[in-house]
Formats: sequence, C-alpha cells, structure tokens
Amino acid sequence: LAKTTQPISMDSYEGQEVNITCSHNNIATNDYITWYQQFPSQGPRFIIQGYKTKVTNEVASLFIPADRKSSTLSLPRVSLSDTAVYYCLVRLYNTDKLIFGTGTRLQVFP
Amino acid sequence: ETGVTQTPRHLVMGMTNKKSLKCEQHLGHNAMYWYKQSAKKPLELMFVYSLEERVENNSVPSRFSPECPNSSHLFLHLHTLQPEDSALYLCASSQEHRANYEQYFGPGTRLTVT
Repeated sequence: LAKTTQPISMDSYEGQEVNITCSHNNIATNDYITWYQQFPSQGPRFIIQGYKTKVTNEVASLFIPADRKSSTLSLPRVSLSDTAVYYCLVRLYNTDKLIFGTGTRLQVFP
Repeated sequence: ETGVTQTPRHLVMGMTNKKSLKCEQHLGHNAMYWYKQSAKKPLELMFVYSLEERVENNSVPSRFSPECPNSSHLFLHLHTLQPEDSALYLCASSQEHRANYEQYFGPGTRLTVT
C-alpha cells in the first residue's frame, strides 16, 4: 500500500526558497503525487499535483525524478503567511483515494 | 473561501447525544467526502459519495451515519460517540470521483465528545 514519508518540521526565513522532500516507495504507475497546505482551524488546500518530471504553477513547483520514489515541493521566496503544515500524499489513480501522511510543519521566521 | 461550507464549526456533545454535521458545496461538484483528522494522525477517509450514491465506506463504526440527499449536501449523523471520536471532521468535494480532479476542503467541524 502506498505510503508517504516526509520530515516532521522545517524552519525557514522570509524570502528563502523552501524544498520539502517526500518519499513514496510503493506508488503505482498511474498514481499522482499531490501536495496540500493546511493552516490551523482550516481544511487542507490543494497546492499542486504531478505525475512525473516537473510541474509548476503560480505558487509552487513539484519535481518528480524518473524513478518516482520521491518528490520535492519547492516554494520560492516564502513569506510569513506560508507557515503551515504541508502534506505530501499519493492519489490512487484507480480509486481516487488520497493517502495522507503526517505532514511537515513549516515555520517561516522574519 | 473554498466553496465548501461546514456547520457547525465547533460542537461539544455528550456520549448519549445525537447530533449532525452539515456540509454544503457551491461548486457544482458530483463527489463529496468525509474525513476525520485526529491530533498527530494522518487524515482518515471515512465516506465517499458520487452522485448521491455511497461508493466507499472505510470500516467506519456505525455510530457515524452519512447521508447525501443531493449532490450539494452531505450530512454526518452522530450517535452514541466515544471520547476518542473527538477530532476535526472535514468535508471535501471534487468535480468527479476521479484522481484527475482536486478535492476542495471545507473548514471542518471541531468535535469534542465529553
């Protein structure tokens, strides 16, 4: 069964680039890697989703190497408002099920 | 504002009470979901509805009873809960019950069982 592993916490400073790496050893060929952001007392918010290589949108980039055993969420020039928990998860293609991990708590300092 | 609303935002109930959580999505989506988020544990998928039909039930105790009267509304009826059921209950929706479509989450209901 697909499972994700990511660091429990990370610290950064405003203006820096933050890279959060996630391990997912047993994903199937058609499964997606998806990242969500969650603030306290709110539901998770979709950030980005990818299948392979690189995906970029207005807020983040997602890098997926060829072996697909890991992936990296890149947040360019973080601000204080990026302080949140970030979840890497596998989205099972056949069932649409989201396999959530325990998340990475990112703290951005001034 | 994600287009998914949940009421109430906070709920305290005793173990013998009956209460219901409500979710409404204003996005025209066809699939809706209930999740449970406990402290320091991953989100757990509880129920999935697609076009008002339950398509997934992940071994959830019968004290949780979902209801989906139409594609815009989802309820979770609670009865005889246990203290360990205290958690954040999240509702989500997606265009279709397919991996290509992102899920939009509501703000959640913080449930405390005393």
